[in-house]
Amino acid sequence: GDSVTQMEGPVTLSEEAFLTINCTYTATGYPSLFWYVQYPGEGLQLLLKATKADDKGSNKGFEATYRKETTSFHLEKGSVQVSDSAVYFCALSEQEGAQKLVFGQGTRLTINP
Amino acid sequence: ETGVTQSPTHLIKTRGQQVTLRCSSQSGHNTVSWYQQALGQGPQFIFQYYREEENGRGNFPPRFSGLQFPNYSSELNVNALELDDSALYLCASSLPRDGYEKLFFGSGTQLSVL
Repeated sequence: GDSVTQMEGPVTLSEEAFLTINCTYTATGYPSLFWYVQYPGEGLQLLLKATKADDKGSNKGFEATYRKETTSFHLEKGSVQVSDSAVYFCALSEQEGAQKLVFGQGTRLTINP
Repeated sequence: ETGVTQSPTHLIKTRGQQVTLRCSSQSGHNTVSWYQQALGQGPQFIFQYYREEENGRGNFPPRFSGLQFPNYSSELNVNALELDDSALYLCASSLPRDGYEKLFFGSGTQLSVL
């Protein structure tokens, strides 16, 4: 079946550092790819998405590019802030309308001032 | 903050018992999905309800069952609880025609099975 693999955490960085969280996927079709963020005590929130190869999703300074040739969707941010501390999940869905998501195991990010 | 509310927020049960978790969807949303998030893992899809009918199921045994009511709120029932059922249970609501930008998750119910 479809699956998503994320780099293991936790990840600890200093404020203004560059962030990369790796994500690779296995899927039989042409999935849409997502990054979700989970802040303490809150529900999952969509951070960004990409629906086809070479698409770049971006939001709040975060970016990720859908790379079909390497089956990857790595999350990057040029300068992280303390407020970015959260758990980040990479996910895929085979169909935009089905709304069934397959998640990676999550990466806990802590940013120190 | 989303309009998806889940209750209770925390629950402790004993192995073999039954549990019911509740979800009130965002106003107007007719689709509800349930996910199980074990400690240190990503959420796993349990099932989805659309207009009171099950509309897709993940790899979970039949002792996981659900209901959706005419007001689109939903229940997740788990029978014969096992220790491995300890997890955060997430509910998400949506309208099928909308994209993932309008798929809203609740904060979850933390279930502990002793």
